[in-house]
Amino acid sequence: EAAVTQSPRNKVAVTGGKVTLSCNQTNNHNNMYWYRQDTGHGLRLIHYSYGAGSTEKGDIPDGYKASRPSQENFSLILELATPSQTSVYFCASGDIYEQYFGPGTRLTVL
Amino acid sequence: GDSVTQTEGPVTVSESESLIINCTYSATSIAYPNLFWYVRYPGEGLQLLLKVITAGQKGSSRGFEATYNKETTSFHLQKASVQESDSAVYYCALGGSSNTNKVVFGTGTRLQVLP
Repeated sequence: EAAVTQSPRNKVAVTGGKVTLSCNQTNNHNNMYWYRQDTGHGLRLIHYSYGAGSTEKGDIPDGYKASRPSQENFSLILELATPSQTSVYFCASGDIYEQYFGPGTRLTVL
Repeated sequence: GDSVTQTEGPVTVSESESLIINCTYSATSIAYPNLFWYVRYPGEGLQLLLKVITAGQKGSSRGFEATYNKETTSFHLQKASVQESDSAVYYCALGGSSNTNKVVFGTGTRLQVLP
């Protein structure tokens, strides 16, 4: 049974539109993370959270917001989507010893 | 900041051949970071392949192994005889700064194993 799930798995959005990517974990981990993965860049950290109500900026936070309403859920929000945000997004829970990843969301912004 | 550099892919090898994917790291936020290899199979998320948190130690899993070398700041991934099912993308990573709980990933190396 998958411990980290993401929805949607695929999303096509229009430039200027709002996009929300959702992540749910059943690991009961305090820490959750949002990454994007692009060819030539590997995984880059967008936002992370230490627990419900907390969000922290990662290495590339511009253009993204995050929300952690509960231990289980962590959302990534693109208020005004741009084509440069076309990517594969991964959510993870865990810590510096191990992270557990979701299957990814492929986002295309036209 | 912390960074990881690994072999640029794609890497193509034939089944039963040996494999090495190079990884070197630079850690400025912590003297002895935790080192990891993650793997992503097609259509799936990343999963931990192996990790080593003590310098000088070797980690192994599924026939893969990697040794934490603090002198050369390297953590190369090796396998003596690959299988077609090993085709995937492999990511070297480091973590360990308790101030941020962050893990830094390399760019990933795509491995294709030919039957």
